[in-house]
Amino acid sequence: DVKVTQSSRYLVKRTGEKVFLECVQDMDHENMFWYRQDPGLGLRLIYFSYDVKMKEKGDIPEGYSVSREKKERFSLILESASTNQTSMYLCASSLGGSINEQFFGPGTRLTVL
Amino acid sequence: AQTVTQSQPEMSVQEAETVTLSCTYDTSESDYYLFWYKQPPSRQMILVIRQEAYKQQNATENRFSVNFQKAAKSFSLKISDSQLGDAAMYFCAYRKIQGAQKLVFGQGTRLTINP
Repeated sequence: DVKVTQSSRYLVKRTGEKVFLECVQDMDHENMFWYRQDPGLGLRLIYFSYDVKMKEKGDIPEGYSVSREKKERFSLILESASTNQTSMYLCASSLGGSINEQFFGPGTRLTVL
Repeated sequence: AQTVTQSQPEMSVQEAETVTLSCTYDTSESDYYLFWYKQPPSRQMILVIRQEAYKQQNATENRFSVNFQKAAKSFSLKISDSQLGDAAMYFCAYRKIQGAQKLVFGQGTRLTINP
């Protein structure tokens, strides 16, 4: 079975802190994604990566950056956390090509105080 | 830009009954993929069913089936013989065939199953 893990289920940070959210997948997938999930808005794509050291902005990249130094790991970075970044963050991965589904991690619920 | 709309924030159904969740989308592409994902409470999102737009036949996975109306840009999910384990948030999603594999999600529908 594909396994996508995220470093924390719950995280509480203070405004202005630098925050790292880690995601690891164990199936050698080329593509990895970071979404945020908010009630009434569904999931919105923040960043994605289709190869090591490659990244592309999604629909809401402002205030975020990412890092992919190894194929299995994709990190989301909040350089200076703000209260409007309080949300559920979901990581996903998929094989390249065609109609391959995305496999999701359990999510990290981040609260910024 | 592509958009996906789920107009039903919440739905409920009696156990063993049938329920249909609605989804509409907007795109100028002629070929694309559509998905329904399920997010159970406090559990990971999983794929329920997928549909290639170039296939006329509606996809079916056991008790789950879709009604894909390409001209109307509608992609509804029918759950037959509803079970307590079907209670979840359901998300409709769209993906272009060419280019990056990014998904565009709808707002979600929370489905409650009444015993």
